[in-house]
Amino acid sequence: GQNIDQPTEMTATEGAIVQINCTYQTSGFNGLFWYQQHAGEAPTFLSYNVLDGLEEKGRFSSFLSRSKGYSYLLLKELQMKDSASYLCAVRDSNYQLIWGAGTKLIIKP
Amino acid sequence: IAGITQAPTSQILAAGRRMTLRCTQDMRHNAMYWYRQDLGLGLRLIHYSNTAGTTGKGEVPDGYSVSRANTDDFPLTLASAVPSQTSVYFCASSDSQGGTDTQYFGPGTRLTVL
Repeated sequence: GQNIDQPTEMTATEGAIVQINCTYQTSGFNGLFWYQQHAGEAPTFLSYNVLDGLEEKGRFSSFLSRSKGYSYLLLKELQMKDSASYLCAVRDSNYQLIWGAGTKLIIKP
Repeated sequence: IAGITQAPTSQILAAGRRMTLRCTQDMRHNAMYWYRQDLGLGLRLIHYSNTAGTTGKGEVPDGYSVSRANTDDFPLTLASAVPSQTSVYFCASSDSQGGTDTQYFGPGTRLTVL
């Protein structure tokens, strides 16, 4: 079967750095997405990786290793507004997105 | 409007009733999707449409139907609602003609079936 694994919950301090990991086992791979979802709101797109390596976008970076079936989202200089769930999704061989259950990130002052 | 809109925002429905959730996008995206999101689970695809006039089944299609008469609209119908269909429903769209084919989401409909 297809599987996306992420930690259920993480806690970090304002101003610090946090890394959210995602491991996947899917039938085929056509890209990996990270989304942010604030409570009660829709998911919003953060990043996309299809080749190995690091993609940087301001305070957020995303890394991919296809051989290891592994990605992480790195958030720097954490702000209270970063408190949200972070969803990892992989596009499989049928070109459909397979979603992880999400990681709830709690930021403490 | 800009982006994707969904209606209603929330609904309480008696079991056995018929319900249509509406979704409209103004981005001229060719592909549209319906997901449900339940606590502790990832988003699960119900139905999708790669282009106007075509639809396909996702991971959890039973009890739901869709139509895609034009590019902008993609309604989801529950023919006879059951309590297990209590969930938050998200509509999404993407431009699958090139680029990353990123999906963009509507604000969601919170549905409770009693």
